[in-house]
Amino acid sequence: EDQVTQSPEALRLQEGESSSLNCSYTVSGLRGLFWYRQDPGKGPEFLFTLYSAGEEKEKERLKATLTKKESFLHITAPKPEDSATYLCAVQTIGNTPLVFGKGTRLSVIA
Amino acid sequence: DAGVIQSPRHEVTEMGQEVTLRCKPISGHNSLFWYRQTMMRGLELLIYFNNNVPIDDSGMPEDRFSAKMPNASFSTLKIQPSEPRDSAVYFCASSPQGGLYGYTFGSGTRLTVV
Repeated sequence: EDQVTQSPEALRLQEGESSSLNCSYTVSGLRGLFWYRQDPGKGPEFLFTLYSAGEEKEKERLKATLTKKESFLHITAPKPEDSATYLCAVQTIGNTPLVFGKGTRLSVIA
Repeated sequence: DAGVIQSPRHEVTEMGQEVTLRCKPISGHNSLFWYRQTMMRGLELLIYFNNNVPIDDSGMPEDRFSAKMPNASFSTLKIQPSEPRDSAVYFCASSPQGGLYGYTFGSGTRLTVV
């Protein structure tokens, strides 16, 4: 059974304090790993897709990396507006629907 | 594009009543997904459709849940009868077939069954 585990469950940072969120996965065959951002009262918003180990994607203060067992979402010099829940999901070969982790709730304090 | 549109945004109903949630996917997207989100279990897939055909409904928790997609621009998720444990946020998402570029989610329906 495909599994996605995210850590930590919650993270509180001071503005400017860089950190990383972890997503570890167990799948039969990875087709893609997805990162989403979810704000309170809204649906998840797509950030990145990573397809193979060693791949990196960047968007503003966020950088996602992928290994054969896990992915990291690095947040550099975060701002309060980066506060949200970050969700990781995997899709396996065969175009199966995305399986999501429970997310990391990030709070960035000014 | 208006994105994925869900209605209603909030629904409060009494136990035993029928509840119908609605979704309009993005035009041209031929895959549609219904997810349920709770604090305890996170986002769980309930059912998904390709080209209006249900492909996998193994995530539907009980026979009380049913979903239809009568055409490419509309889908419903029905709960009959509703129970307090059905309280959650229900999301609809759509994608081009295969979902290679990720899904676009609606804003969700927050269901409270009292």
